[in-house]
Amino acid sequence: DGGITQSPKYLFRKEGQNVTLSCEQNLNHDAMYWYRQDPGQGLRLIYYSQIVNDFQKGDIAEGYSVSREKKESFPLTVTSAQKNPTAFYLCASSRNFDSSYEQYFGPGTRLTVT
Amino acid sequence: AQSVTQPDIHITVSEGASLELRCNYSYGATPYLFWYVQSPGQGLQLLLKYFSGDTLVQGIKGFEAEFKRSQSSFNLRKPSVHWSDAAEYFCAVGVRQAGTALIFGKGTTLSVSS
Repeated sequence: DGGITQSPKYLFRKEGQNVTLSCEQNLNHDAMYWYRQDPGQGLRLIYYSQIVNDFQKGDIAEGYSVSREKKESFPLTVTSAQKNPTAFYLCASSRNFDSSYEQYFGPGTRLTVT
Repeated sequence: AQSVTQPDIHITVSEGASLELRCNYSYGATPYLFWYVQSPGQGLQLLLKYFSGDTLVQGIKGFEAEFKRSQSSFNLRKPSVHWSDAAEYFCAVGVRQAGTALIFGKGTTLSVSS
């Protein structure tokens, strides 16, 4: 079955530690995205990648970093510079970076930082 | 700037009753339009999409949506709600311009009462 996997589903970290969230897709999609979801805020775009070895900042990129070394993978690192990292993180992909193509979402990772 | 508004944060509907979730967008031309559903703690699933043509679009799980250009709206409807429809619903807009990502509304939470 084609789809997007995110791991782990729940992640707990101490304040001051960097943490990396995994996102893998086997849909052969060129574009991938990371969103942050907080109650009442909807989805906010953190980073996106149109193609391998390329990525762009979204609306709330501060305190986050990404890499796109393989087409299938788009890991997100939440750094200690992110002021309020506790949130639900969603990864998505689309055939290419054009809003005519729907995005497919992974199941999400809930990150709790204490 | 393009924007998406979902005026209702939370709606409660009795099981078996009809449902309408509102979505308004701000954009000069006809955008691409999507509705997604999210069950608690899960990723988003595409319900339906509108690109052009017939303004009444049928989706999965018995949902439909109607595009009204004059009202800049794309409201989601279902004739008879089931308890399993309780979830959060997101409207998303794609701008007809290369190199743009989807813009999501802040969501409407649907509760279903028995």
